[in-house]
Amino acid sequence: IAGITQAPTSQILAAGRRMTLRCTQDMRHNAMYWYRQDLGLGLRLIHYSNTAGTTGKGEVPDGYSVSRANTDDFPLTLASAVPSQTSVYFCASSVGPVSRADTQYFGPGTRLTVL
Amino acid sequence: AQSVTQLDSQVPVFEEAPVELRCNYSSSVSVYLFWYVQYPNQGLQLLLKYLSGSTLVKGINGFEAEFNKSQTSFHLRKPSVHISDTAEYFCAVSALGQGAQKLVFGQGTRLTINP
Repeated sequence: IAGITQAPTSQILAAGRRMTLRCTQDMRHNAMYWYRQDLGLGLRLIHYSNTAGTTGKGEVPDGYSVSRANTDDFPLTLASAVPSQTSVYFCASSVGPVSRADTQYFGPGTRLTVL
Repeated sequence: AQSVTQLDSQVPVFEEAPVELRCNYSSSVSVYLFWYVQYPNQGLQLLLKYLSGSTLVKGINGFEAEFNKSQTSFHLRKPSVHISDTAEYFCAVSALGQGAQKLVFGQGTRLTINP
């Protein structure tokens, strides 16, 4: 069982370029999440999806968009990257939503540098 | 809204010594509490969680945590650490109830085990 896969592993991107980070899970989890991890700030939620076809905004959604066309995939798009979006991005999934306190399972992360 | 404060950004200890990683939270409603661990260059994985019932929660790898409602704390402990426990540890909180939409993480505590 692969769990959660993320691609790419790392990327260097010029400011102003569009970028999509991919996330796929094979656990048939209903809920999926995107976090960014910055030194000294811990993890902050960007967007989430409690079930296929629905999405919601997290703590730091500006400059990012997501879609959830099916259960397995939850891509994160940066429409026009800026240097402040340099971070490590983690995708996660859980059986149910946060309100059920289900364990979240994390992918290995994507390290993104915007120059 | 909920918030989490991890009182130590770094904790160095010697192998086989006990350790306590401190976590305080703030919330106007009842909460679920979690500890996640992040080993170098990996995603996060759940150590333990408190949902209800006994305030002493046992997790994987010999870790345990105690929920103290009056002090709004959820400190993580291990009686004897190993080199393999070197990692970053994150405390997290979510609110009870259907309205809960996000897991709020603390800033993280880097645990370094010295031989």
